[in-house]
Amino acid sequence: ETGVTQTPRHLVMGMTNKKSLKCEQHLGHNAMYWYKQSAKKPLELMFVYNFKEQTENNSVPSRFSPECPNSSHLFLHLHTLQPEDSALYLCASSQDRTGYGYTFGSGTRLTVV
Amino acid sequence: AQTVTQSQPEMSVQEAETVTLSCTYDTSESDYYLFWYKQPPSRQMILVIRQEAYKQQNATENRFSVNFQKAAKSFSLKISDSQLGDAAMYFCAYRRTSGSRLTFGEGTQLTVNP
Repeated sequence: ETGVTQTPRHLVMGMTNKKSLKCEQHLGHNAMYWYKQSAKKPLELMFVYNFKEQTENNSVPSRFSPECPNSSHLFLHLHTLQPEDSALYLCASSQDRTGYGYTFGSGTRLTVV
Repeated sequence: AQTVTQSQPEMSVQEAETVTLSCTYDTSESDYYLFWYKQPPSRQMILVIRQEAYKQQNATENRFSVNFQKAAKSFSLKISDSQLGDAAMYFCAYRRTSGSRLTFGEGTQLTVNP
């Protein structure tokens, strides 16, 4: 039990599909994050949520739409993706404004065909 | 903006030997946190060790220790008595005291040879 659970583990979708990634944390953290991890690139921070409110959107294309209904759940809604969006999408949580690091989920491996 | 640089894309070590992974960072802050994360093939990012910038003493966690040189903005990770299970991608990361964002380096792929 990692404390941060991501589903699905793998996802293959066509460019016209609509799908959602889910992240759930049971750690009582108040901040949640989406990161994109592509081969040969540093992790890219996509979105930050603090107490359910989005506090950062790092110029992410609108085909990625996050949703945070409460402090324990985070979704990433996907539509009209491109092949270059294929990557590992990692969710993480933390207790904001403390010196502790993040707790990560195991990620969703997304392939856009 | 803060940046984190890992200049070694790949490293290898013999089992039971010691290896050091390098990390440098750039910041104008005086107080911050530094981390090393490990990402094995299972993809789970695991926190290995954490350093608070205001503490001069280097952090240690069992076989893992850091060499924190604040003036040089250097934060290297030393793995002693390397084990096969240490094989993974290692990421150095930075976090401001007042913020929640973690900034990662590019990662170093560590291979442990039997």
